[in-house]
Amino acid sequence: DAGVIQSPRHEVTEMGQEVTLRCKPISGHDYLFWYRQTMMRGLELLIYFNNNVPIDDSGMPEDRFSAKMPNASFSTLKIQPSEPRDSAVYFCASSPGQGSGELFFGEGSRLTVL
Amino acid sequence: TQLLEQSPQFLSIQEGENLTVYCNSSSVFSSLQWYRQEPGEGPVLLVTVVTGGEVKKLKRLTFQFGDARKDSSLHITAAQPGDTGLYLCAGATGNQFYFGTGTSLTVIP
Repeated sequence: DAGVIQSPRHEVTEMGQEVTLRCKPISGHDYLFWYRQTMMRGLELLIYFNNNVPIDDSGMPEDRFSAKMPNASFSTLKIQPSEPRDSAVYFCASSPGQGSGELFFGEGSRLTVL
Repeated sequence: TQLLEQSPQFLSIQEGENLTVYCNSSSVFSSLQWYRQEPGEGPVLLVTVVTGGEVKKLKRLTFQFGDARKDSSLHITAAQPGDTGLYLCAGATGNQFYFGTGTSLTVIP
């Protein structure tokens, strides 16, 4: 079975450029989460969706970050404009539903902003 | 934000030794999970504990949930090089999962 699929795996861009990260959750999973991982701050929850609807985006750093889930099989995390401090590994995870308790993570997208 | 502190942050031991990793919080969680993450990959779930005082064993790994459901420990017996990785605890509140600061374990052959 295919797991959570993220793209790109690696992205190097210059400050000010727009970055779009993509995620395909596991089919049938009702919850989708975006996390950011850095050495300094660990794994931080940015936003999560339930049935394609954003439920909590309080972890989104600022207005430069936005996330969408137009359908059950696709989500994007966009940074515009990007800054060097956005450099991190961004993970998408999906979960089968309330009470299931397990997050299935993708392999992550490593972003470097120069 | 509900903070989970893990200790130690880094641990380097010889193959065959035992170790314990701790995960502490001032918040109560409905469940607590342990994940292991290897370089270049996402975290993978090891175990979920739900009941205060619960103990679960997974081969050489023993997980315990504190009575008050605020803390947890992971004990590894006779560590092996394959146990090397980043160990993360995660507390669940409703549908949200808050991750700990992580423990990076290196087991030297």
